[in-house]
Amino acid sequence: KAGVTQTPRYLIKTRGQQVTLSCSPISGHRSVSWYQQTPGQGLQFLFEYFSETQRNKGNFPGRFSGRQFSNSRSEMNVSTLELGDSALYLCASSLGGRPITDTQYFGPGTRLTVL
Amino acid sequence: AQRVTQPEKLLSVFKGAPVELKCNYSYSGSPELFWYVQYSRQRLQLLLRHISRESIKGFTADLNKGETSFHLKKPFAQEEDSAMYYCALSVWNYGQNFVFGPGTRLSVLP
Repeated sequence: KAGVTQTPRYLIKTRGQQVTLSCSPISGHRSVSWYQQTPGQGLQFLFEYFSETQRNKGNFPGRFSGRQFSNSRSEMNVSTLELGDSALYLCASSLGGRPITDTQYFGPGTRLTVL
Repeated sequence: AQRVTQPEKLLSVFKGAPVELKCNYSYSGSPELFWYVQYSRQRLQLLLRHISRESIKGFTADLNKGETSFHLKKPFAQEEDSAMYYCALSVWNYGQNFVFGPGTRLSVLP
C-alpha cells in the first residue's frame, strides 16, 4: 500500500510569513506525528494527532500548530516564520497505539527554507 | 530530563568487521528504546525495538538498565549497512512520542 506522503517537498519562505505543510498517512492509520530535523538540534518531536485531536505535544512555541481532518490527513502551520525554522519537517503515521508495539512510518519530509 | 546520547557522529569500519553503535539514555521510569535507520535517499525507518529481542538485518541491541545503554551491534558489517542510525526513547508517559539521539553515521568500507 502507498506510504506516507508529504506536500510540498520543498518550500522557500521569507521571515514573517506563514506556511502550511501537509501529510497524508498510510490508509487506515489514525495517528500522525510531526518532527523537526535540523543539523543543530537533530530530530525533535513537535506534536501528534489522533482521531482529529492533539494527543501529544513537544516543547515548541505556539507559532507551531497543527490539525487533523476526518480522513486522518494532517496539516501543520508555522506562523511568523523565523530563520531558525529552516528545517526538514517529517511526519509519521501509525495505527495509533503506543510506539512500543505500533510502528511509526515516516514520510520523505518537507524541506523548508526561511530567507 | 529524558535524554538520549550517541557519542560517535561518524563510525567507520571495514567490511566483515564487527560494529557497535553506542546509545545511552536518561529516563525516570521503565525505558522503551528503539533504533531507527536512514539509508541514503530513503526514509527514516524502524530497525528494531528493545522488546522484540530479535535480530534484524543481523543487528541486535540489548537494553542494559544498569548502564542505561542500548548499544546496537552486528558481528560482521556489510557495505549496505552504511547509513545514519538514530537511537530513540519513547516518552509516551510524558506526553510526547520520541526523544531521538543525534545519530551516528556508519560507513562500512570495502
